[in-house]
Amino acid sequence: GQQLNQSPQSMFIQEGEDVSMNCTSSSIFNTWLWYKQDPGEGPVLLIALYKAGELTSNGRLTAQFGITRKDSFLNISASIPSDVGIYFCAGRLLQGAQKLVFGQGTRLTINP
Amino acid sequence: DTAVSQTPKYLVTQMGNDKSIKCEQNLGHDTMYWYKQDSKKFLKIMFSYNNKELIINETVPNRFSPKSPDKAHLNLHINSLELGDSAVYFCASSQGTGARQPQHFGDGTRLSIL
Repeated sequence: GQQLNQSPQSMFIQEGEDVSMNCTSSSIFNTWLWYKQDPGEGPVLLIALYKAGELTSNGRLTAQFGITRKDSFLNISASIPSDVGIYFCAGRLLQGAQKLVFGQGTRLTINP
Repeated sequence: DTAVSQTPKYLVTQMGNDKSIKCEQNLGHDTMYWYKQDSKKFLKIMFSYNNKELIINETVPNRFSPKSPDKAHLNLHINSLELGDSAVYFCASSQGTGARQPQHFGDGTRLSIL
């Protein structure tokens, strides 16, 4: 069954605004990954997190691995039109770490 | 050069037919995966191979049969296609199965069953 809850499901923002999305679970994860999917393409890795409390940036993107190991967030600062797409969190469970579990995705739409 | 490449990109076929999707990665990775993405964009793992051996086999109908002729290739054969098989199928690969081995995805095969 579904083990990751990602929110919000969709966001409509103005260009230049900051964006925040998160994933939560009742299970403990030992890895959190954030991917972006553009139309007609596969998910592309944005940020990988491997330790509880880890805060990592990739340009205007910042993600954190929650202290409880049950959540993660992704922030995008000063959004631009090319940020449009679907963002997925994914995690490896502490038990069954070979398998990557995905959130439902956050669809980001930007008004210029 | 595309790191993880899938063929075909689009596949339209009749219910009941048998079809195959091919995947190749040129990253030198040991582990490959097949995912299914439904109409709501939910991504779910189907199979994983490590060094040509099956290591993950989720609850998938046995009409789906993966085959890995070598570490760089993982193909997916589907028998007796059904309407519910319509989806986007993604191949992915990673260096290994460890927690610090992120997965890299292909661009997907869009399967439509008529």
